[in-house]
Amino acid sequence: ETGVTQSPTHLIKTRGQQVTLRCSSQSGHNTVSWYQQALGQGPQFIFQYYREEENGRGNFPPRFSGLQFPNYSSELNVNALELDDSALYLCASSYGGGTGNTIYFGEGSWLTVV
Amino acid sequence: RKEVEQDPGPFNVPEGATVAFNCTYSNSASQSFFWYRQDCRKEPKLLMSVYSSGNEDGRFTAQLNRASQYISLLIRDSKLSDSATYLCVVLITGGGNKLTFGTGTQLKVEL
Repeated sequence: ETGVTQSPTHLIKTRGQQVTLRCSSQSGHNTVSWYQQALGQGPQFIFQYYREEENGRGNFPPRFSGLQFPNYSSELNVNALELDDSALYLCASSYGGGTGNTIYFGEGSWLTVV
Repeated sequence: RKEVEQDPGPFNVPEGATVAFNCTYSNSASQSFFWYRQDCRKEPKLLMSVYSSGNEDGRFTAQLNRASQYISLLIRDSKLSDSATYLCVVLITGGGNKLTFGTGTQLKVEL
């Protein structure tokens, strides 16, 4: 187990609604990254939070937003859901940004937009 | 052009076979390189890091060619349990430590 927990594990939303996904990072980790993985694709970087500040963003529209809390847990918010937002959303935690072999993924949240 | 390109497969091989996966990356600022394994409907898990000198972990051998921006993974003596999707991944630092994934290559090992 990686010690990274995500909730909810599965959810179904209607187009136009808003969704909040949550991630608890591994103990001692101060950096959280979010990725979106559509069916048949590799994960795509959404953004990264380091010490409660956004520290990098991928090619996602502003309706994807996030927060990191003082305990380094994080939320991903998606507004105005579109059908193409249906995907596995992965949270990854690390210390100070991490390197590839010190970045730990949670089991993900499966979002279906209908 | 995708930043990390892989053949999506599937590669269907018999148990005991040797199989090789290749990947190319386009961003010369890529600093670290990895192979991840992803089982169906699960999160990706680190399989191994990849170094220019080549590295081996049991039946798995990975190689990086920085000049050609090419990464490979060789699996010897395939097992049924090796069936999964193998993701080629590069790490780019600056503006966050960002992992960039290929689309993955699906491997099916059969009896």
